[in-house]
Amino acid sequence: RKEVEQDPGPFNVPEGATVAFNCTYSNSASQSFFWYRQDCRKEPKLLMSVYSSGNEDGRFTAQLNRASQYISLLIRDSKLSDSATYLCVVIRYGQNFVFGPGTRLSVLP
Amino acid sequence: EAGVAQSPRYKIIEKRQSVAFWCNPISGHATLYWYQQILGQGPKLLIQFQNNGVVDDSQLPKDRFSAERLKGVDSTLKIQPAKLEDSAVYLCASSLISGDTQYFGPGTRLTVL
Repeated sequence: RKEVEQDPGPFNVPEGATVAFNCTYSNSASQSFFWYRQDCRKEPKLLMSVYSSGNEDGRFTAQLNRASQYISLLIRDSKLSDSATYLCVVIRYGQNFVFGPGTRLSVLP
Repeated sequence: EAGVAQSPRYKIIEKRQSVAFWCNPISGHATLYWYQQILGQGPKLLIQFQNNGVVDDSQLPKDRFSAERLKGVDSTLKIQPAKLEDSAVYLCASSLISGDTQYFGPGTRLTVL
């Protein structure tokens, strides 16, 4: 089993829709979690960190469920500019970033 | 603030040739990473430097890949000889300290024919 797994998609949603992605991780010692966004043929960029209590940044909400070992990203009121690949990142203390394979989102007009 | 710089942006070589990539991290960032990203996959860590020392190179194919960061600032990644399966984007990233947010450069897209 891979350390970090994501549904590859693609998720095709209309503008204004709400879409959610899940990411599961296998190592219970994982301590830090992030969502990165990667546009086509561009480098990954940090979207948001994921805190135990959950956190929100505008239309984006990230949640962590340690018991079930998954994190989620919710995007409300999708915009065309949200079309990208969303990468889940997991870190164990003192270890390196482990990226998931990414979930591709296409927001359609 | 200047971001992570990488060059070249694109490289096409034939198998068995050698190639080198260069990275200049964000000023003041002690930690530098090289990743390999194959199409349709997430980035895979090849090597991590803390200043000029190697912290983790467990996933670096050492028979053909090498990397250095001699003065603790910029870094080079070399492949010698290249194989077809090395075709990928090679991303450099840096962070202030290990485990902190990583900032990525634009990457070098390598095609091995």
